[in-house]
Amino acid sequence: EVQLVESGGGLVQPGRSLRLSCTGSGFTFGNHPLSWVRQAPGKGLEWVAFIRSKAYGGTTEYAASVKGRFTISRDDSNSIAYLQMNSLKTEDTAVYYCARDGVEMATYYFDYWGQGTLVTVSS
Amino acid sequence: EIVLTQSPATLSLSPGERATLSCRASQSVSSYLGWYQQKPGQAPRLLIYAASNRATGIPARFSGSGSGTDFTLTISSLEPEDFAVYYCQQRSSWPRTFGQGTKVEIK
Repeated sequence: EVQLVESGGGLVQPGRSLRLSCTGSGFTFGNHPLSWVRQAPGKGLEWVAFIRSKAYGGTTEYAASVKGRFTISRDDSNSIAYLQMNSLKTEDTAVYYCARDGVEMATYYFDYWGQGTLVTVSS
Repeated sequence: EIVLTQSPATLSLSPGERATLSCRASQSVSSYLGWYQQKPGQAPRLLIYAASNRATGIPARFSGSGSGTDFTLTISSLEPEDFAVYYCQQRSSWPRTFGQGTKVEIK
């Protein structure tokens, strides 16, 4: 069974940093691109960051709202993806989901999601 | 950035009725559009990819159509578990974007 489990959320002051983790199981983690998608309280979905598989260079893409502040990375040997969030702002408050891109079917759509981890940025 | 506009914002229907949800893109996304369902307190779930392909395990009452800038998600006969928020999402170009969502509520 494919599973993605996020961790690392919590309460953090504006301007501080936080690192989220996404641990995958039940599939060949290194074969899949991964994204972070967030949802502010009561709002819609916002894609945040993406990382390609190593086979495609492991390169990254970011939403304009987080570019230069957030960094996505991956450790395929341990089946973990990370989101390093620096210079946090109150508007970064959201549930952060890890989502897997399909590569055989539903190619490059978010075919599996984690349960999310809440990040609250407040003084 | 491609903007996706969903309509209506809320759809009030009864179980057994047909639901028709619209998603319009600000520029062509070809067929690179997906639909997701989200229930309260849960992560989104992929329903449709590439405009018209059902994801694994999705019932046949869900169907998608369209290409270019205009897309439709149809639920042929609403079941109680279908009342939720639905989002469209494009993967045609970066950044990936979502529509603002359509809430399907019980009338």
